[in-house]
Amino acid sequence: AQSVTQLGSHVSVSEGALVLLRCNYSSSVPPYLFWYVQYPNQGLQLLLKYTSAATLVKGINGFEAEFKKSETSFHLTKPSAHMSDAAEYFCAVSEKGYQKVTFGTGTKLQVIP
Amino acid sequence: NAGVTQTPKFQVLKTGQSMTLQCAQDMNHEYMSWYRQDPGMGLRLIHYSVGAGITDQGEVPNGYNVSRSTTEDFPLRLLSAAPSQTSVYFCASTRDGNTEAFFGQGTRLTVV
Repeated sequence: AQSVTQLGSHVSVSEGALVLLRCNYSSSVPPYLFWYVQYPNQGLQLLLKYTSAATLVKGINGFEAEFKKSETSFHLTKPSAHMSDAAEYFCAVSEKGYQKVTFGTGTKLQVIP
Repeated sequence: NAGVTQTPKFQVLKTGQSMTLQCAQDMNHEYMSWYRQDPGMGLRLIHYSVGAGITDQGEVPNGYNVSRSTTEDFPLRLLSAAPSQTSVYFCASTRDGNTEAFFGQGTRLTVV
């Protein structure tokens, strides 16, 4: 069975500082991994996805994530936080041929001026 | 591009009332799903469908029914609303389970 664990329900960073949001997954087969962002009172939007091509995936708004099979991790990073990055971020996993997507519990990112 | 459209955006129900949350997509996606979002619990899958006429239960199906008579529409029915169903509901569609999910704007439901 697939599962996702996001460490830290709330993360605060200063504007201009590194953003690191952690995601670990469990999957019995090679996974597909996603990061989504949710702004207040909106639905989720895709930031980036890993589908077994390059292990370093670049997404929108300067975010990227690295797939590390040995650590079963898919952490999300951004070199320099911007005020507009304040939102909730969800990691998700699905398995090839398996139609369900499992979401993590989310991490709220606060950016301090 | 309409994408995924959910109606209504807000709803207040009394305990025991029934209602249907509507979801429609115009991307010809086969896979559609309903999630509920509660603080600290992320998104939990209620029901999903892999095509017209095919539905299955997700993680938290009790108290909800779905049907999929067309590719475009996937309504969620609450048969007898309970306060525990107070939540934000999201409908999503994907081409298949391994590609990007497109989400509606959500329905904020309060059951009193």
